[in-house]
Amino acid sequence: DGGITQSPKYLFRKEGQNVTLSCEQNLNHDAMYWYRQDPGQGLRLIYYSQIVNDFQKGDIAEGYSVSREKKESFPLTVTSAQKNPTAFYLCASSIGAGEDTQYFGPGTRLTVL
Amino acid sequence: GQNIDQPTEMTATEGAIVQINCTYQTSGFNGLFWYQQHAGEAPTFLSYNVLDGLEEKGRFSSFLSRSKGYSYLLLKELQMKDSASYLCAVSHSYGGYQKVTFGTGTKLQVIP
Repeated sequence: DGGITQSPKYLFRKEGQNVTLSCEQNLNHDAMYWYRQDPGQGLRLIYYSQIVNDFQKGDIAEGYSVSREKKESFPLTVTSAQKNPTAFYLCASSIGAGEDTQYFGPGTRLTVL
Repeated sequence: GQNIDQPTEMTATEGAIVQINCTYQTSGFNGLFWYQQHAGEAPTFLSYNVLDGLEEKGRFSSFLSRSKGYSYLLLKELQMKDSASYLCAVSHSYGGYQKVTFGTGTKLQVIP
């Protein structure tokens, strides 16, 4: 089946630890995105990548890092510098950027204790 | 910057029609998306409007007026399963790249 996978669905970490969220797609999409969703705030863009080996900061990139070494994969690392990391994280991909429809993975709910 | 406004919550009755509005202010506008998101799940694509006018897809229709910076999503013959958040998102050009900026979403509750 083609699609976007994120794992795990739920993740718990202690404060001060870095954690990496995985995102894999087999749709042959060039563009990939990471969003954070908090109650009442909608989706906020963390990082996006329009092509392999290239990525751009979104609106709330501080405390996060990404890599795009393969077309299929766009992992997100939540570092200890992120002040409020507890949130629902969504990964998406699209054929190209901008006007192309984004398809979302199931999300990872991260809780930092 | 980008500014997208939509109501926070709405309630409607099963079988009725509901209209969810979205207004936006943005530069480099390309088009407008509507997504549906059930609680705890991923958003799913509903529609994408580039040109002015109404586009119909079964029970759901979406309207765009580029000159007014206005869109709405129309849901007909409401069903209980339509209870969800509806996200308005604007595609726009930004710093040589194309981006999509999401509104905060409208939580729709369908009641019997």
